Amino acid sequence: QVQLVESGGGLVKAGGSLRLSCAASGFTFSDYYMSWIRQAPGKGLEWVSYISSSSSYTNYADSVKSRFTISRDNAKKSLYLQMNSLRAEDTAVYYCARDGPAGLGATKGFEYWGQGTLVTVSS
Amino acid sequence: QSVLTQPPSVSGAPGQRVTISCTGSSSNIGAGYNVHWYQQLPGTAPKLLIYDNTNRPSGVPDRFSGSKSGTSASLAITGLQAEDEADYYCQSYDISLTGPRVFGGGTKLTVL
Repeated sequence: QVQLVESGGGLVKAGGSLRLSCAASGFTFSDYYMSWIRQAPGKGLEWVSYISSSSSYTNYADSVKSRFTISRDNAKKSLYLQMNSLRAEDTAVYYCARDGPAGLGATKGFEYWGQGTLVTVSS
Repeated sequence: QSVLTQPPSVSGAPGQRVTISCTGSSSNIGAGYNVHWYQQLPGTAPKLLIYDNTNRPSGVPDRFSGSKSGTSASLAITGLQAEDEADYYCQSYDISLTGPRVFGGGTKLTVL
């Protein structure tokens, strides 16, 4: 069965850095785009970033552009999010999610999600 | 302010039918992009409920259905059950500078 397991969350001071990881299993990782999505306490879902199946394309929400970097290692079936210059407003549960299949465009939605990892940025 | 607009809350009695709207614009839903719906039970990760406007993943009851027209989409839930009480989010894609994947603000469904 498909599993996505995030790790790397924790408490960090404003201006600090953190690297999140997401280990995937149960599907051909290299066939899918992957995304990070976050949810601030008591708030709604916010898409953060995606990466294409071969890492050729990445995209970011305006709120994290130039501070966050998404990457993946298909051999290790792992997704990463390097977060720098963290702010209090980055405090959230961060989910990794399986995005659409490569080559099929904007379809299928986020079919699988991890359990999330909490990032808390103290000011 | 979310790119896709949903009502903050809806409610219904057990057995009733409720609908949740998701209103976008010409840069997302109106541009022909697919709409997906997610259910989030308290303390859990979101779960895909409807994909590509009208399709249900395996295991999702047929009480849940989706539709799309113009710049809007809707989620309908019939035969409301207590376990349907959750937050519901729509999601689509956008060609503007706001970001290629966009969510609605979420709707809290209360089963009376």
